[in-house]
Amino acid sequence: DAGVIQSPRHEVTEMGQEVTLRCKPISGHNSLFWYRQTMMRGLELLIYFNNNVPIDDSGMPEDRFSAKMPNASFSTLKIQPSEPRDSAVYFCASSLTRRETQYFGPGTRLLVL
Amino acid sequence: AQKVTQAQTEISVVEKEDVTLDCVYETRDTTYYLFWYKQPPSGELVFLIRRNSFDEQNEISGRYSWNFQKSTSSFNFTITASQVVDSAVYFCALRAQGGSEKLVFGKGMKLTVNP
Repeated sequence: DAGVIQSPRHEVTEMGQEVTLRCKPISGHNSLFWYRQTMMRGLELLIYFNNNVPIDDSGMPEDRFSAKMPNASFSTLKIQPSEPRDSAVYFCASSLTRRETQYFGPGTRLLVL
Repeated sequence: AQKVTQAQTEISVVEKEDVTLDCVYETRDTTYYLFWYKQPPSGELVFLIRRNSFDEQNEISGRYSWNFQKSTSSFNFTITASQVVDSAVYFCALRAQGGSEKLVFGKGMKLTVNP
């Protein structure tokens, strides 16, 4: 079975540009999570969805960040405009329900110059 | 509030040594879940184990074993006869039933196994 799929795996962009990260959860999983990993702050939950509905977005750093889940098999995390401090690894994870084990994708390594 | 502490930030061992990774957690909830994840140099996060707060049985899976002690709020992970492939960053995490049910991660512990 395919795991969580993320694209792109690496992204280099210039400050001010829009960045869109994509995630396909494991088929049949109803919950989807976006995390950010940095050296300074470790792994932080940004937002999570349950049955395509955003449940908790308290971890989204600011209005420049937005996330959508238009259907059960696709989610996006958008940063507009991007800033150098957004450089990090962004992980998507999914779980059968929000209380079950989360399985992570390979991550997107973002570098904003 | 939930909190996970991995006091060790980095450990280096020689192959075939046993190594224990410590994890101490804090929560006021009586129902909670503890996890260990492995992040190898390639960067992905790999799920290793999940335990719930009502099951204090220790678990063994091959060279890996986990010791869960509610009395000390600890969920330690031991690798027996370590191998170079065990080199990775290991994260302990907690999710409590109450509150937001967020998965809270420790800072991680980098294990290097030298040949």
